[in-house]
Amino acid sequence: EEQLVESGGGLVRTGGSLRLSCTASGFTFRTDTVNWVRQAPGKGLEWVSSISSDSVWIYYADSVRGRFTISRDNARNSLYLQMNSLSVEDTGVYFCTRGGRWDGRYMQWGQGTLVTVSS
Amino acid sequence: DIQLTQFPSLLSASVGDRVTITCRASQGISTSLAWYQQKPGKAPEVLIYAASTLQSGVPSRFSGSGFGTEFTLTISSVQPEDFATYYCQQFNDYPVAFGPGTRLEIK
Repeated sequence: EEQLVESGGGLVRTGGSLRLSCTASGFTFRTDTVNWVRQAPGKGLEWVSSISSDSVWIYYADSVRGRFTISRDNARNSLYLQMNSLSVEDTGVYFCTRGGRWDGRYMQWGQGTLVTVSS
Repeated sequence: DIQLTQFPSLLSASVGDRVTITCRASQGISTSLAWYQQKPGKAPEVLIYAASTLQSGVPSRFSGSGFGTEFTLTISSVQPEDFATYYCQQFNDYPVAFGPGTRLEIK
């Protein structure tokens, strides 16, 4: 079964840091573009960051550029999001997704991990 | 950056109704648009990609159309399990923005 499982969410103070992980199974992770999408409580979906299969192409939303760093380890079938200088506006569920421009969709989503930033 | 708008933001329907949701892009995106369904507490699921291609396993009552700046998602006969929030997403260029969502509720 193809699966994406996020971990690493939790409660953190403003200005703090957190590292999210996403572990893939059931498909050839190293060939896919993967992404992070977040959703604030009661709000819509917001694309956060994308990384190509070989880590050559990396993109960030303006709202996180300079504070968040996306990376991947294809040997470990894992995607990461290092989040620094967190603010209350970063609170939400963070989803790991698989797919990109060439696929024309995010065909697979993890269940999400909740990040709560409190002052 | 390409912005997406959706309307209506809230849609009330009865089981069996035909409903249409519209997504408009701030500039032309060819057919680089996907539609997702999200139920409360769950991750979104893709319904349509490339504007009109039905994702495998998605019921045929869902259909998509459009090109350029205007796109539609149609449910031909709403079923009880279809009451959810629907989002469009453009893949023409980064940032790959989502629309604000349309909530389909029971009338």
